[in-house]
Amino acid sequence: AQTVTQSQPEMSVQEAETVTLSCTYDTSESDYYLFWYKQPPSRQMILVIRQEAYKQQNATENRFSVNFQKAAKSFSLKISDSQLGDAAMYFCAYIRQGGSEKLVFGKGTKLTVNP
Amino acid sequence: KAGVTQTPRYLIKTRGQQVTLSCSPISGHRSVSWYQQTPGQGLQFLFEYFSETQRNKGNFPGRFSGRQFSNSRSEMNVSTLELGDSALYLCASSLDRVYDNEQFFGPGTRLTVL
Repeated sequence: AQTVTQSQPEMSVQEAETVTLSCTYDTSESDYYLFWYKQPPSRQMILVIRQEAYKQQNATENRFSVNFQKAAKSFSLKISDSQLGDAAMYFCAYIRQGGSEKLVFGKGTKLTVNP
Repeated sequence: KAGVTQTPRYLIKTRGQQVTLSCSPISGHRSVSWYQQTPGQGLQFLFEYFSETQRNKGNFPGRFSGRQFSNSRSEMNVSTLELGDSALYLCASSLDRVYDNEQFFGPGTRLTVL
């Protein structure tokens, strides 16, 4: 079964600094997608960034970028120029392409942004 | 476009009762997924519906069931509630395949079982 591990239950960063959240996953599949979701205290989960496993180029969305290492099964999220609004729970998630519609989530990392 | 809505937002029930939660997807979205979120287990997939058919199911007991209507609105039902069913239940919608289409989440229904 596929698993997603986020080894950092909590992280903190100073406003305007850069922080990296870690995620590793375990799968025997070759075609899959990886996601980072953000869940602010209001609890509405939103998609931050998406990476297709077949793409070698790391996905980027404004201040958010990933470091996708397929062989190492690692998918970290880098947040640059951190803002107070970035404070939230961040979840790494995996889904197999062409199979079950089941998103497998990690346990999450709580990010605190200090002013 | 209106986002995913879930009703009710909060619910308190006692053990043994049953409960029905509702989810209205974004207009045009035909896939609706349900997740259970607890501090201990994290986010776990319950099931996914597409065009009124259950397309995928997670590893939950038969007490958890769902359905989807022709307008894509979905309901999930939990019968014979247990204390461990206390959780935030999230609904998410997408146009079709979750891996190919962005999934939008609702605000959740907080269920407390006493």
